[in-house]
Amino acid sequence: AQSVTQPDIHITVSEGASLELRCNYSYGATPYLFWYVQSPGQGLQLLLKYFSGDTLVQGIKGFEAEFKRSQSSFNLRKPSVHWSDAAEYFCAVGGYGNKLVFGAGTILRVKS
Amino acid sequence: DTEVTQTPKHLVMGMTNKKSLKCEQHMGHRAMYWYKQKAKKPPELMFVYSYEKLSINESVPSRFSPECPNSSLLNLHLHALQPEDSALYLCASTQVQGQGVEKLFFGSGTQLSVL
Repeated sequence: AQSVTQPDIHITVSEGASLELRCNYSYGATPYLFWYVQSPGQGLQLLLKYFSGDTLVQGIKGFEAEFKRSQSSFNLRKPSVHWSDAAEYFCAVGGYGNKLVFGAGTILRVKS
Repeated sequence: DTEVTQTPKHLVMGMTNKKSLKCEQHMGHRAMYWYKQKAKKPPELMFVYSYEKLSINESVPSRFSPECPNSSLLNLHLHALQPEDSALYLCASTQVQGQGVEKLFFGSGTQLSVL
């Protein structure tokens, strides 16, 4: 069965600092990997996705993520965080049967 | 049109009420989903429809009844809910390619409160 682990429940960074959110997955084949962002009471917005090819993927809002098969990881990064990036971030893995499974989420707080 | 529209945005209902949540998309997507998200938790898959047929039911209680009347619409009928069913209900859709999950478009959700 597919599963996702996001080890950090909360992360606080200063505005302008770099950011890395961790994600580890478990899946028996080549996974489809996603990062979503959610503001309170809102739906989910896709930041980026990995299906195959280049292991460094670029997304919206200046985010990028790197797929590392050997570490079963898909960490999200941003070189300089803005106050508007404060939200909850979900890593997800998709596979057979159109099933998408989410990690527990990481709440990002940005301090000025 | 690249949106998934969910109505209503907010719903308050009693435990004896019958209500329905509605989801609509006009992107030609043939897979549609219902997710349930409790506060401070990740979304949990409830149902998946593929080509208007129910393909995944994650052992959801029968008080939740999904319906896909056509390729653009997805309903979730609610009956005799419990207070613990209060949550944000998210609809999503995607193209169906191969056997994997492609990019999902999510609606903004219906915030349901059961009194």
